[in-house]
Amino acid sequence: QKEVEQDPGPLSVPEGAIVSLNCTYSNSAFQYFMWYRQYSRKGPELLMYTYSSGNKEDGRFTAQVDKSSKYISLFIRDSQPSDSATYLCAMGGVNQGGKLIFGQGTELSVKP
Amino acid sequence: GAVVSQHPSWVICKSGTSVKIECRSLDFQATTMFWYRQFPKQSLMLMATSNEGSKATYEQGVEKDKFLINHASLTLSTLTVTSAHPEDSSFYICSARVAPPGTSGSSYEQYFGPGTRLTVT
Repeated sequence: QKEVEQDPGPLSVPEGAIVSLNCTYSNSAFQYFMWYRQYSRKGPELLMYTYSSGNKEDGRFTAQVDKSSKYISLFIRDSQPSDSATYLCAMGGVNQGGKLIFGQGTELSVKP
Repeated sequence: GAVVSQHPSWVICKSGTSVKIECRSLDFQATTMFWYRQFPKQSLMLMATSNEGSKATYEQGVEKDKFLINHASLTLSTLTVTSAHPEDSSFYICSARVAPPGTSGSSYEQYFGPGTRLTVT
């Protein structure tokens, strides 16, 4: 079993839809959680970063962490064609030297 | 803030030659940099962790003599692919961990460079 499992997609939605991207993890030592967006042939871009359970909102993006269930989500409201990219969840623990464990990535396509 | 650059953005080289890729943090100091490799349609694979002023720590299965990493300053790390072969063709991406001034590096965000596409012919 992988430490981090992410719905692989691909996911195709119409413009304006609410998108839900999800990851589960098995290591209870994970303490910080991130979501990255990666456009084709580019480096990942940090979207959201959180330490604690609960919700964190930034514009159209909401990151949700449930440590008791070992489950994290990223919601995108009013999705736009420019949101079309691969989304990667990443997480780590304070005893891992700053390393991040990545999910497999979910490819999202938002159709105009 | 937190901008990371990589150079070159793409490179084509002949089999048997060596290629150096630079990773720079432009507006912050990075005590730790990471080097990843990514194949098409796959996630990032961590190759090594590079701490300024010390030897890099390589992940299992990564040949340290083939992928030489040097972290000479708080803003520069280099990856040299030695005696490159076609199977080394890949997308190489570095990241830098933010170390806010006056702290012991307790931040865990990683900011990524734009990547370097290596093709070995």
